[in-house]
Amino acid sequence: QKEVEQNSGPLSVPEGAIASLNCTYSDRGSQSFFWYRQYSGKSPELIMSIYSNGDKEDGRFTAQLNKASQYVSLLIRDSQPSDSATYLCAVKTESGGYQKVTFGTGTKLQVIP
Amino acid sequence: DAGVIQSPRHEVTEMGQEVTLRCKPISGHDYLFWYRQTMMRGLELLIYFNNNVPIDDSGMPEDRFSAKMPNASFSTLKIQPSEPRDSAVYFCASSKFVGGAKNIQYFGAGTRLSVL
Repeated sequence: QKEVEQNSGPLSVPEGAIASLNCTYSDRGSQSFFWYRQYSGKSPELIMSIYSNGDKEDGRFTAQLNKASQYVSLLIRDSQPSDSATYLCAVKTESGGYQKVTFGTGTKLQVIP
Repeated sequence: DAGVIQSPRHEVTEMGQEVTLRCKPISGHDYLFWYRQTMMRGLELLIYFNNNVPIDDSGMPEDRFSAKMPNASFSTLKIQPSEPRDSAVYFCASSKFVGGAKNIQYFGAGTRLSVL
């Protein structure tokens, strides 16, 4: 089982719709969860972080975390063509006193005008 | 701050040659990470350092790969000898430990390596 799993997509949504991206992780001791956006040919950039159960909203983005189900999601409201990118889920764990971040393989999102 | 700086941005080399990738982390950051990204395998963590000390190199694919961090402002990833299957984008990222759970990584622009 992969440590962090994402559906590779592509996930296609029409402009203005809600895009829902999902991620599951295997380590129950995971402490922090991140969503990165990566445009083609560019480096990943952090768009959301979440540390406790529940929802966290930032503009059109909402991150949701359910540690009991080992599940984290990202909702993008009013999707725009500029949101078309690959979204990487990342999970931080602590091992031996050190921090390690593991990335999923990413979900490609396509917003259709 | 200039962010994480990687060089070169592009590298084309022939099989068997030595390749050295360079990274300058953000000043004050105490963690440095090297990743490799390919279409097939996604973003893979190769190795990471804390305070210049290698902590976990379990992602280094084989002995042809080595990484060093001689000081807080510089790290190298070396491939010797290089092979065509090493062709990928290599990212360096850095972060600063913050008490509690927060640990945000900042990525460099990456080095696109092509081994012919």
